[in-house]
Amino acid sequence: DTGVSQDPRHKITKRGQNVTFRCDPISEHNRLYWYRQTLGQGPEFLTYFQNEAQLEKSRLLSDRFSAERPKGSFSTLEIQRTEQGDSAMYLCASSLGGTDSSGANVLTFGAGSRLTVL
Amino acid sequence: LAKTTQPISMDSYEGQEVNITCSHNNIATNDYITWYQQFPSQGPRFIIQGYKTKVTNEVASLFIPADRKSSTLSLPRVSLSDTAVYYCLLKAAGNKLTFGGGTRVLVKP
Repeated sequence: DTGVSQDPRHKITKRGQNVTFRCDPISEHNRLYWYRQTLGQGPEFLTYFQNEAQLEKSRLLSDRFSAERPKGSFSTLEIQRTEQGDSAMYLCASSLGGTDSSGANVLTFGAGSRLTVL
Repeated sequence: LAKTTQPISMDSYEGQEVNITCSHNNIATNDYITWYQQFPSQGPRFIIQGYKTKVTNEVASLFIPADRKSSTLSLPRVSLSDTAVYYCLLKAAGNKLTFGGGTRVLVKP
């Protein structure tokens, strides 16, 4: 297992187009997170899955954003009708969650997918 | 909701010890304190985690006082490659793990 993989690493698109990012977590991790990060800011939580269930979604996430994790393995994050304000690094992370919260806090991040909306 | 406060930036020199303090006055009883390091154009990387007192690994030490309202990450004998942003992280409400603004550490030669 080589860790968390994200694809594509870079995406340039025109305003109004749809984009999709894929994340392959560490295979035994049951929790998967999506974050967004803009220059000079800390990662901003977008959504979280436990297995295939999407358990939390940020109120900051507009209806143009949707995420799925079919079969509890890889996940996709789709942004519809992209806007210039969507330009950011989109980070995926996974963790092994259990009853003890300590393990749930140890996230392994991918290298991110950088989106540029022209 | 648990919230963390860290200094925005810190400068240091090679070979010195760097201590970054994170305030978390509203930490919950079952929260663990976790620190991450992030280099430009990379995802954050786990450094260390603790619940109380002191934790040490090959990279850093984490000091947590008895009231757990703050924690201090200690990086011994830093090198230029330790220049990065360091984040203090708590488990917030539910499972929404929230990062703050982080501390930018610049190590100078």
